[in-house]
Amino acid sequence: GAGVSQSPRYKVAKRGQDVALRCDPISGHVSLFWYQQALGQGPEFLTYFQNEAQLDKSGLPSDRFFAERPEGSVSTLKIQRTQQEDSAVYLCASSLAGGRDSPLHFGNGTRLTVT
Amino acid sequence: GDSVTQMEGPVTLSEEAFLTINCTYTATGYPSLFWYVQYPGEGLQLLLKATKADDKGSNKGFEATYRKETTSFHLEKGSVQVSDSAVYFCARGGSNYKLTFGKGTLLTVNP
Repeated sequence: GAGVSQSPRYKVAKRGQDVALRCDPISGHVSLFWYQQALGQGPEFLTYFQNEAQLDKSGLPSDRFFAERPEGSVSTLKIQRTQQEDSAVYLCASSLAGGRDSPLHFGNGTRLTVT
Repeated sequence: GDSVTQMEGPVTLSEEAFLTINCTYTATGYPSLFWYVQYPGEGLQLLLKATKADDKGSNKGFEATYRKETTSFHLEKGSVQVSDSAVYFCARGGSNYKLTFGKGTLLTVNP
């Protein structure tokens, strides 16, 4: 596709359920990022992949959060035993190279609501 | 750590008014600076960027100048339009891949 695609667009989960959020980056983009955006806040970095390698996961808030990109294209962010504080918009972004001059292309995000 | 502080909104202007949204950043290292825009119902889009001191980024009539002496990257537009209504985010690049965003400023332009 032309842009970064995320699915589902909206997800409602009961507290304690596991969820999986999908990101399809722009074809050929080496770098992939996940950000978390709480209501009224700016996006906050979660994790970064270069191809299939997860080079930085320092932003993942707890060990309930897990991300993978096994073939260097599609990525999945999994949240186990969801809690109310996990409610946020989860943004995926990709870039051609990942350096400081390589612009990020963001998807529309998945809005997760934990009830 | 790295941080970005931007003017809190919401900002409401009439069409053709002058816009300034202030942004300051922590001065660690030599970051690249960015403004992203989020139109209603859409994803974040890069609006403009500057990669070194005194650079001016510009796009769609918006401008921002990288000021190292004041650690600022204020967004300006001389004459806003209704279609500029959106949320604007200032961001800095830390290491060569990670962005730190401000909280965003909601701009509403009335006809």
